[in-house]
Amino acid sequence: QKEVEQNSGPLSVPEGAIASLNCTYSDRGSQSFFWYRQYSGKSPELIMSIYSNGDKEDGRFTAQLNKASQYVSLLIRDSQPSDSATYLCAVDYGQNFVFGPGTRLSVLP
Amino acid sequence: EAQVTQNPRYLITVTGKKLTVTCSQNMNHEYMSWYRQDPGLGLRQIYYSMNVEVTDKGDVPEGYKVSRKEKRNFPLILESPSPNQTSLYFCASKWTRDTGELFFGEGSRLTVL
Repeated sequence: QKEVEQNSGPLSVPEGAIASLNCTYSDRGSQSFFWYRQYSGKSPELIMSIYSNGDKEDGRFTAQLNKASQYVSLLIRDSQPSDSATYLCAVDYGQNFVFGPGTRLSVLP
Repeated sequence: EAQVTQNPRYLITVTGKKLTVTCSQNMNHEYMSWYRQDPGLGLRQIYYSMNVEVTDKGDVPEGYKVSRKEKRNFPLILESPSPNQTSLYFCASKWTRDTGELFFGEGSRLTVL
C-alpha cells in the first residue's frame, strides 16, 4: 500500500516566522513529489514540485527532497496570514497521485 | 484559460436517485481522475483514466462508475447514491500518466439524504 504521511497539525506560527511542513512516503518507486495548498472548501492548488534530491526554491517557498530517507519538506519563509491553509503533500505513482492527509497551518498576525 | 470544469458545483439529492457529475478539461490532457475528500480522510482516488476508453479503479470505487468516450470529458456516475457518498468531489487532469502536476476542478459538493 502506497502511503503518504503528514502531521495533521494545526501548526501555528507567528507572522514573519518560518513554517516547516514535513511529509514521509512509503514507496521508493516514485520520482515526482508535489506540495499543494488548499483553503477550506476550495480546490487544491500547486505550490511546488520537486523531482530530484536537494532543495528547490521559489519565492518564499523551499521544497526539500531526500529520497534515501523517503522524506519531503516544505519551508515557508516570512509567513503571512494569507498562508493559513491546509498543505497537502502528494506523491505521483503514475496511475495514482497519493495525497497525505494534510497539515493545517495557522499564521497568527 | 486552461481549466477543469465540474458541474454541478452543489447538489442535494435523495438516496437512490441516479446522478452524474460532469468534468471537462480544455488542456488536451490524457490523464484524468476523480477524488473524494472527507474530513479526516483526505483526498482518496475513486477512478482514473489514462486515455480515451481506458479507465481503472482507484482506492474507493464502490458505488461509482465512469466513462471516457472523449479526451476532454470524464463524467462520474452515481447509479444509486447513498448517504455515505455525501462528500466533496474533485476532478483532476494532467498531461500523461507519468508527467506533470495535477490540475483540479473547483469541486462538487454532494449531499445525499
